[in-house]
Amino acid sequence: AQSVSQHNHHVILSEAASLELGCNYSYGGTVNLFWYVQYPGQHLQLLLKYFSGDPLVKGIKGFEAEFIKSKFSFNLRKPSVQWSDTAEYFCAAYTSGNTPLVFGKGTRLSVIA
Amino acid sequence: ETGVTQTPRHLVMGMTNKKSLKCEQHLGHNAMYWYKQSAKKPLELMFVYNFKEQTENNSVPSRFSPECPNSSHLFLHLHTLQPEDSALYLCASSPTSIRADGYTFGSGTRLTVV
Repeated sequence: AQSVSQHNHHVILSEAASLELGCNYSYGGTVNLFWYVQYPGQHLQLLLKYFSGDPLVKGIKGFEAEFIKSKFSFNLRKPSVQWSDTAEYFCAAYTSGNTPLVFGKGTRLSVIA
Repeated sequence: ETGVTQTPRHLVMGMTNKKSLKCEQHLGHNAMYWYKQSAKKPLELMFVYNFKEQTENNSVPSRFSPECPNSSHLFLHLHTLQPEDSALYLCASSPTSIRADGYTFGSGTRLTVV
């Protein structure tokens, strides 16, 4: 079955630390990849997405993600986190055809001063 | 506001009650979705509607009954729920279900079954 794995359940970082959240997917064919963020008490928001082209994708708020096809990975990065980045981050994948998005379990990021 | 509105924001119901969750979008989208978000679990897709037709029922128990009267409105009717059904229920919409880009989520309904 198609699946998305996020191996880190909870990450705690100090402000200004660098961030990398792992995401792996299990699809073998063409895949579209997404990162969503959910701030406390708010709705899911799209951070960035990859469909094709440059495997390094830049999103909002200084986030970026790199698609590495050989590793089936789409890790999220940010060079320097802020307290306001405290949120839950979800990786999601979609294959072409009439299939909806499949989400990972999410990674909770806590940024401390 | 995201353009997808869910009501109510919070709901507490007994196991014998009947209630409904409502989702409304004015984005001109033709696909709508119900997801269940529980702690420490992936978002679980429950139902997909594309142009008012249900295209996916992800093995959801019959105590959850969706209804999509038009492309702008989606309901989730609840009856005889169990405590383990307590979760955040998210509605989303997209232009169509063929392409997954452009999912817009509502803020969710926090459901507690007592």
